[in-house]
Amino acid sequence: AQTVTQSQPEMSVQEAETVTLSCTYDTSESDYYLFWYKQPPSRQMILVIRQEAYKQQNATENRFSVNFQKAAKSFSLKISDSQLGDAAMYFCAYRTNTGTASKLTFGTGTRLQVTL
Amino acid sequence: NAGVMQNPRHLVRRRGQEARLRCSPMKGHSHVYWYRQLPEEGLKFMVYLQKENIIDESGMPKERFSAEFPKEGPSILRIQQVVRGDSAAYFCASSQAFKGEQYFGPGTRLTVT
Repeated sequence: AQTVTQSQPEMSVQEAETVTLSCTYDTSESDYYLFWYKQPPSRQMILVIRQEAYKQQNATENRFSVNFQKAAKSFSLKISDSQLGDAAMYFCAYRTNTGTASKLTFGTGTRLQVTL
Repeated sequence: NAGVMQNPRHLVRRRGQEARLRCSPMKGHSHVYWYRQLPEEGLKFMVYLQKENIIDESGMPKERFSAEFPKEGPSILRIQQVVRGDSAAYFCASSQAFKGEQYFGPGTRLTVT
């Protein structure tokens, strides 16, 4: 079974600075997707960024980018120019792209605080 | 274009009662997923349904929990004889296609007293 590990329960960053959230995963598959979701206090799950395992180029969405290291099974999220609105729980998630399974497997999350 | 809708947003039940949670997927979406989030934890997959069919229920507890997604109407997650350990946030997500991007609803917070 696939597992997703987020080893940083909490992180803090000053406004306008850069922060990196870590995620590692375990799988024997070669075809899969990885995601970062943001969960603000409203609890709404918001997709931040996704990465297909077969794509070597790291995904980027405005201030959010990933460092995908397939051999190391690492998928970190970098937030540049942090804003107060970035404060939230961030969850890393995995989804296979093979077979009939379509579920997301989530890590335990990292709580990001943004300070002035 | 309305997103995924869940109701109620908050539900309080006494031990032993039944809880019914509803999820209306986004327009055009025929795939529904249910996840449970215990306090201070990540979301855990429960069940995946496509219209009138359960595709994957590997995350569903064997007893007291059931889910359906009828041809007409919302998907329902039903918890019979609730216990305190069922207190959690229950999220529904929908996708347009098999292995499509999942869009999440706002969740239902169930409290069992």
